[in-house]
Amino acid sequence: DIQMTQSPSTLSASVGDRVTLTCRASQNVRTWLAWYRQKPGRGPHLLIYEASTLESGVSPRFSGSGSETEFTLTISSLQPDDFATYYCQQYNSYPWTFGQGTKVEI
Amino acid sequence: EVRLVESGGGLVQPGGSLRLSCAASGFIFSEYEMSWVRQTGTGLEWVANITSGGINTHSAASVRGRFTISRDNAKNFLYLQMNSLRPEDTGTYFCASGGSYFQNWGQGTQVTVSS
Repeated sequence: DIQMTQSPSTLSASVGDRVTLTCRASQNVRTWLAWYRQKPGRGPHLLIYEASTLESGVSPRFSGSGSETEFTLTISSLQPDDFATYYCQQYNSYPWTFGQGTKVEI
Repeated sequence: EVRLVESGGGLVQPGGSLRLSCAASGFIFSEYEMSWVRQTGTGLEWVANITSGGINTHSAASVRGRFTISRDNAKNFLYLQMNSLRPEDTGTYFCASGGSYFQNWGQGTQVTVSS
């Protein structure tokens, strides 16, 4: 199975900050990578797919980059709604796997 | 508006069975691959997916032979039949649209396997 490792586990930030989250794959996943945001008590929400494609309706303050084994999610200006947990997920080869998450907190 | 509403979770003893359902609305259900994803104490885990017509499925090794994903396109429902349940199957089960990455998610249904 492909292991996905996210860093940091927790990130402390303030409204208006620019933050970058990292996701590393244990094998080459090309650009078959998605990012999600999850708030407590709710299902995850798709932000980015194919490593850098913004999902329809998602704010352009979110951007994704990377390929093969190294990926980043950048939030250009944190908003109150963005304090949540972020997950990456590879869909290059079965079984699809998720990272353990990065919690963005105030 | 896309809506996915899961139901059927609950408390079950080890070795027992549950059938989860997911009611879909707001999109052409029969045109989309669908998936189940669970969230346990160890994080998010993809469980299974099914093609739009229901012919082909894939599942995680941890549930293969015990869980079966299916769908009824006439009723816009997705199902997960879970047999031989184990304590490690405890978690929140989400229905999601998409077979590879997951565009829309339900709110989840809680499954607890305990004696």
